[in-house]
Amino acid sequence: SAVISQKPSRDICQRGTSLTIQCQVDSQVTMMFWYRQQPGQSLTLIATANQGSEATYESGFVIDKFPISRPNLTFSTLTVSNMSPEDSSIYLCSVERDRGSNEQFFGPGTRLTVL
Amino acid sequence: AQSVTQLGSHVSVSEGALVLLRCNYSSSVPPYLFWYVQYPNQGLQLLLKYTTGATLVKGINGFEAEFKKSETSFHLTKPSAHMSDAAEYFCAVSGPGYNQGGKLIFGQGTELSVKP
Repeated sequence: SAVISQKPSRDICQRGTSLTIQCQVDSQVTMMFWYRQQPGQSLTLIATANQGSEATYESGFVIDKFPISRPNLTFSTLTVSNMSPEDSSIYLCSVERDRGSNEQFFGPGTRLTVL
Repeated sequence: AQSVTQLGSHVSVSEGALVLLRCNYSSSVPPYLFWYVQYPNQGLQLLLKYTTGATLVKGINGFEAEFKKSETSFHLTKPSAHMSDAAEYFCAVSGPGYNQGGKLIFGQGTELSVKP
């Protein structure tokens, strides 16, 4: 398995502001992902965080709204920009420790509330 | 579009009773299949997975699932429910039919309640 931590664990933010969420893994991993879980719903992939290159975004998600950094093989950040109440969700990072295993381990999530 | 369907958003069982959570997928190519559990205010934990080989897969906490290609199903079962099993359960797929770098596609989730 992999030990994954996220900061902050939760936050309450004002409309129009931005929040950066950090994801730290205890070992080097090839693949890192960011998911969104809206209240009472399932998980939706936002993007794949690529080390050394731009993230790969899923349909419906754009870099201007959700900029992602991946400076090395153990760390990534997701920023939720210009927030609105509709951005209130749990944001989770996950890692595929062994490329090709298709097995992902998830962080504890960041619970975001936008007022 | 490829998808994962979990039948029943809420399932309630009595303690000691059989747990059956249903999952069906759509794919022309057998995918990799996963069940995750999410306890309140926590992240997701992998229960079990199927990639290749034996179609009956055993996971943690006494859960198991069987891959049935003919039915495109991967239902999760546990012979005897425990109060601590109360949680949200997600079926997910990845692999050849879905794979774009290993991403997972999740079902809608099933909330399991266990009555004493």
